[in-house]
This record gives sequence, structure tokens and C-alpha cells, in this order.
Amino acid sequence: KQEVTQIPAALSVPEGENLVLNCSFTDSAIYNLQWFRQDPGKGLTSLLLIQSSQREQTSGRLNASLDKSSGRSTLYIAASQPGDSATYLCAVASNRDDKIIFGKGTRLHILP
Amino acid sequence: SAVISQKPSRDICQRGTSLTIQCQVDSQVTMMFWYRQQPGQSLTLIATANQGSEATYESGFVIDKFPISRPNLTFSTLTVSNMSPEDSSIYLCSVRTAGGPGEQFFGPGTRLTVL
Repeated sequence: KQEVTQIPAALSVPEGENLVLNCSFTDSAIYNLQWFRQDPGKGLTSLLLIQSSQREQTSGRLNASLDKSSGRSTLYIAASQPGDSATYLCAVASNRDDKIIFGKGTRLHILP
Repeated sequence: SAVISQKPSRDICQRGTSLTIQCQVDSQVTMMFWYRQQPGQSLTLIATANQGSEATYESGFVIDKFPISRPNLTFSTLTVSNMSPEDSSIYLCSVRTAGGPGEQFFGPGTRLTVL
């Protein structure tokens, strides 16, 4: 059974720093991995989607990498801003049953 | 991408009552899903809403408690029946715009509080 783990659970950093959020998964039989952002009490916003054949995707200050063989993904945020404060969720789409499994998220707080 | 709206955005309900949540998508989509996010937790899939047939429920979720309709390719409803305080959660509608596990999009959620 696929399990998705996100480390750390919470993170506070000063504005302007670069930071890395980690996601690991136990079953490498995946179609893709998706990173989401969730603001308190709100829905999810898709940030980046990495297909299983890809190694990374970039959007603006965000860069996500995928190492399927080791079951790891990282989300790199450059030059962090207070507006980046949110919970970041990693989700893995299994190619065994077409379902996506979410991690518990990393709560990020950027200090002004 | 897909633009998803949900109604209501939030509600406070009494124990024993039922609430129906609506999900509307701005384009036809192949797959629609309903998720629950309990306070402080990640998302749990309730069911896949199938157009023109019964929904496919995940382990731990049953049709009598969470009846789902999907009359067409752009609309679905989830009913939370005979509610108890344990049903207090955010309920999220989600879609995939292509067949297979493509990119998944989420609605803004419905925040339900059961007293």
C-alpha cells in the first residue's frame, strides 16, 4: 500500500531564504506526482505536476524534482515571500489503482 | 485546467440532519472525486463519482451515509446524511480533465460544522 510522507511537518523561515520541502513515497509504481498549496480553510491549488518519466518541473520561483527509483520528491522555493505561507501537499498517483495518495503536508510560515 | 465551484462554501448543521453539497465544473471532465479533510489532517478519498451509474466508494465510506449523484459530465452532488459532530470536515470536489491519472484540480471546498 502506497504511503506518502512529508518532512518537515512545519517550517518557519525568514523572508528571502531559499527552502526545500521533502516528500517520500514507498511504492515507485507511480504515474505522476503533484504538489499542491492549501491556504487555511481553503481548497487546493495545483502548483506542479511531474510525470513519472520526468525528473523536474519549474514554475516561477518553484522547482520540483522527482527521483522515482528512490521514492523521493523535493519542492524548492526560491527567495521566499510572506505570501508563500501555506500548507504544501504532495500527492502521488499510483499506476496500480489509478488513485492519488496525499501526504499530510508541510505547514510553511515565512517570517516578514 | 478546470474551474470548479462548490455550494455551499460553509454550513453549520444540527446533529441528525443531512446536507447536500454541489460541485459544478466549467468544462466536461472524465473523472470527478469527493474528498474529506478532517481538522488538521490530510485528504481522504470518499468516492469516485461515475456519470450515469453508482459511485465507487473507498473503504470505510458507504452509500447510505454519503450518497453521490453525477447526472452529467460537469455536475455532481455529495450528501452527508444523518450527520454527527465527527462529520465536521472540509469536503472537496476534485476532477481530472483527461483520462487516466493526469493533473488533478480541486474546488474551494465546503466547510461543514456539525453541532
